[in-house]
Amino acid sequence: GAGVSQSPSNKVTEKGKDVELRCDPISGHTALYWYRQRLGQGLEFLIYFQGNSAPDKSGLPSDRFSAERTGESVSTLTIQRTQQEDSAVYLCASSSTGTGVNYGYTFGSGTRLTVV
Amino acid sequence: DAKTTQPTSMDCAEGRAANLPCNHSTISGNEYVYWYRQIHSQGPQYIIHGLKNNETNEMASLIITEDRKSSTLILPHATLRDTAVYYCIVRVVGTSGSRLTFGEGTQLTVNP
Repeated sequence: GAGVSQSPSNKVTEKGKDVELRCDPISGHTALYWYRQRLGQGLEFLIYFQGNSAPDKSGLPSDRFSAERTGESVSTLTIQRTQQEDSAVYLCASSSTGTGVNYGYTFGSGTRLTVV
Repeated sequence: DAKTTQPTSMDCAEGRAANLPCNHSTISGNEYVYWYRQIHSQGPQYIIHGLKNNETNEMASLIITEDRKSSTLILPHATLRDTAVYYCIVRVVGTSGSRLTFGEGTQLTVNP
């Protein structure tokens, strides 16, 4: 597609339930990133996928959070046993990378997660 | 990645140039300067980037000082739709890519 697509755009879930968020990157973009943004705060890095390399999971806040990506396509971010502090907008971005090349990120519109 | 320092907020009159400063005194020779903005309730949007030369595109101009320790993003004719948080980021880019680390940014308010 023309941009990064995220679904759902809004999700309300009960505390303790699992949720799955989806990101469709721009076709051909080898790198994919997940960020979290709590209300009124800055962007918090969660995880980064680059091609077939092992993902950089250093930003995941707890073992309740996990993410997968198959090849250079769709990624899913899963939050198990959701807590109220997980309420935030979850943003996905993709970019191209390569030797000597230098691209910006394209962000999706995000998934607004509310845990009640 | 090098740390950046930006003012917390700025105001600008509609139609005037908005000049947003950024200090990155610890920048390394292989780090680029990137600017993004985030309009309320939207994902961040790429604006421009540069290494050492000044850059211009349809959205903005980027002026980088000769010592590369600071830069200025210029929106030549600010509109109300330019009201957003503007992030200045320095980043090394290589074959493996790298993540962007967002700071607090500058809240730019364009006033009618």
